[in-house]
Parts: sequence; structure tokens; C-alpha cells
Amino acid sequence: KQEVTQIPAALSVPEGENLVLNCSFTDSAIYNLQWFRQDPGKGLTSLLLIQSSQREQTSGRLNASLDKSSGRSTLYIAASQPGDSATYLCAVKGNTGFQKLVFGTGTRLLVSP
Amino acid sequence: KAGVTQTPRYLIKTRGQQVTLSCSPISGHRSVSWYQQTPGQGLQFLFEYFSETQRNKGNFPGRFSGRQFSNSRSEMNVSTLELGDSALYLCASSPGQGGEQYFGPGTRLTVT
Repeated sequence: KQEVTQIPAALSVPEGENLVLNCSFTDSAIYNLQWFRQDPGKGLTSLLLIQSSQREQTSGRLNASLDKSSGRSTLYIAASQPGDSATYLCAVKGNTGFQKLVFGTGTRLLVSP
Repeated sequence: KAGVTQTPRYLIKTRGQQVTLSCSPISGHRSVSWYQQTPGQGLQFLFEYFSETQRNKGNFPGRFSGRQFSNSRSEMNVSTLELGDSALYLCASSPGQGGEQYFGPGTRLTVT
């Protein structure tokens, strides 16, 4: 059974810092991994999708890497801004052919001005 | 392109009642999945539909059911509501197998 863990559970940084969020998963037989952000009481916004054959994806100030063999992914946020404050979730999709995502518990990020 | 829409956005129901939630996927997307989010359990998969067929189901009691229509719109139904069913219910759509998933704003269900 796939289990996804995110560390740290919460993170507070001053504006401008570069930061790394970690995601680990127990079963390396994944199809893809997706990073989301969630603002309080809202739905999920997709940030980056990494296919199992890829090592990293970039979008603006965000960079996500994937090491399938070690069961790890990291989300790097450059030059953090107060607007980045949200909960960040990673989710993995297995190789079963179904669309089920298994989510981590998230990292709550607070960026202070 | 319009995003995933969910209706209603908020619901308050009483224990024992039933509720139906609706999800309209992004135009052209044929896969719809449903998730339940609670503070204690996080995000848990409910079920997935593709071309009107349920392809996968999570570990939820039979009180939770769903369906998908020919236009890919989906509904989920919860019967005999319990207090523990209070949650944010999220719907996600994708073009098909393996594609990026896009989530709607959710329906906040409160059971009193």
C-alpha cells in the first residue's frame, strides 16, 4: 500500500528565502507525481506534474525533482513571497492504470513580509 | 477554458439525510475522480469514473456512491449521513489515463 510523507509539516520563513519541501513515498512503482497548493478552505491548484521517466520540472520560481528509485521528490521555491503562503501537497499516481492519487499530509508554509 | 466546477459550494444537512453533489469537468476531460478531505484523515480517494464507468473505488462504505453522465458530468451521493461525513468534497478531472489532474473548488458539507 502506497504511503506518502511530507516533511516538514509546517515551515515559517521570511520573504526572499529559498526553500525546499520534501515528499517521500514507499512504493517506487509510480506513474507520475504531482505537486499542488491549497489555500485555506479552497480547492487544489496544480503546480507541477512529473512523469516517472522525468527527473525534474520547472515553472517560474518553482522546481520539482523526482528520484523514483529512492522514493523522493522535492519542491524548490526560489525567492519566496508572502503570496506563496499556503499548504503544499504532493500526490503520487500508481502504475495500475487508474487515476487514483495518494496524497501526503502536506506542508503548511508561511512566508512573512 | 473553464475550470472544474462543483455545486453546491456549501451544504448543511442533518444526520440521516442524504445529499447529492455535482461536478462538471473541464471541457473534453473524460475522467472524473472524487476525494474527501478532513482535518484528521487528509485527502482520501472516493472513486473514479471514465466514460460513464466506475473504474476504481476507495475504501468507503456503500453509503457513498456516484455516477457519470454521457457529457462527463458526475454526481456523488451520500445516504444516511453521519456526523463524520462532514468534510470538503473535491472533484478532479483529467483528459484520460495518466494525465494531469485539475481540481474544483470543492463542496463543504456540514452534517449536524
